[in-house]
Formats: sequence, structure tokens, C-alpha cells
Amino acid sequence: DTGVSQDPRHKITKRGQNVTFRCDPISEHNRLYWYRQTLGQGPEFLTYFQNEAQLEKSRLLSDRFSAERPKGSFSTLEIQRTEQGDSAMYLCASSYKETQYFGPGTRLLVL
Amino acid sequence: AQSVTQLGSHVSVSEGALVLLRCNYSSSVPPYLFWYVQYPNQGLQLLLKYTSAATLVKGINGFEAEFKKSETSFHLTKPSAHMSDAAEYFCAVSEWETSGSRLTFGEGTQLTVNP
Repeated sequence: DTGVSQDPRHKITKRGQNVTFRCDPISEHNRLYWYRQTLGQGPEFLTYFQNEAQLEKSRLLSDRFSAERPKGSFSTLEIQRTEQGDSAMYLCASSYKETQYFGPGTRLLVL
Repeated sequence: AQSVTQLGSHVSVSEGALVLLRCNYSSSVPPYLFWYVQYPNQGLQLLLKYTSAATLVKGINGFEAEFKKSETSFHLTKPSAHMSDAAEYFCAVSEWETSGSRLTFGEGTQLTVNP
């Protein structure tokens, strides 16, 4: 059990560019979550997968955001046409039941 | 809808003193409650959880929390603070038995430990 991993750990991009983040959950976990955390705030829920099915999406997840978990294992979160307001830490978590375990996060800076 | 309020965005204690971080929740169903700790530029680490069993929950690093339904509270305590406890602490609620999904977090409490 190596824990939840995320790649990259840091990303700097220019406004208008597309970015993609990857999350690898703990291997036996069937549930995978994405959260966004801005400075000085608690994490906010974005979306949730059970196996490959995306079961819930937050209103925070605008049409520029898309998440996939094609084979029920790793997941990707893509942000198209990035805006400065997208600058945040993007956290991934996985679970088998009620307890979610978090990865180290990807910190995005949009210039 | 579920929500969490953490009273006090910053708490400062002396090394060896009692740590008390406050959390109040709102939930339409019996909640599951969690405390996580976050060190700078890192993800969240689970400290402890309440999942409808014992109301006094013990976690890692000497922390514990007590679920009080009548007060809708789940305050985090540690008898004696250590310098390594300095971090940000988040309380979170889940309506696991109904929605089974999202955690709703409070805004966090930054704990400073003074020598």
C-alpha cells in the first residue's frame, strides 16, 4: 500500500492553456474523489467516482473541467482554457468505505 | 445539507499546554465526522473519525475527540501540545449512510505551538 499519488505536484501555466492532472488511488479502493483547496480555505468537493462511473459533480465543476476514470483505476482531471481563478491545490482522495485517504495534491498556478 | 463550522481560524498554545480545537456540524442525518491535519504544501492526513460507534474517539499522535449530539459538536483535544503539532486542522462531515460521497470541510484552524 503506497498511498494515493498525484502527478504533477506543481504546475505553472499561462491563462488559456489546458492542463491535466493524474491521480492514482490506493489499489483496492473503488471510490475516488477530487477536491479543490484555495489558500486559507478548506477543501471543496468537485466530483466523485465509484469504479469508472462518475456519480456526483459539484456546481463548482464548470464546463471547462472534466474528469475521467476510464478503467476504474487512475483518474485524470482536465481544465480547459485555464483562468487565474483556477489557481489552487487540487486534491485527490480514495476510499473503500467511509474514510477518505488523500494524496499530496497538485498545486496549480495560472499566470 | 451538511456543513461544518470551526470556531477560531487561529489558535496559539504553549508547548505542553492543552490543545482544544472546536468543530460544530450540521447534518440532516446521523453524521460521520472526521479530523484531518495538513502540513504546509502537503495533502491531508487522517487524525481520527467518528462513525456512530463510541462517542469518544482516539486518534493518532495523542489526539482525541468527543461526539456530542446534543451540542452538534466534535471538538478535538490533546492534553499536551508538542512543537510538531503545529499545522492546519480541518474538521469534516459526511452523510455516508445516505449519500455515501462527499466530505464537507470547515475552513480550518491554524495551530501554533510556542516554545
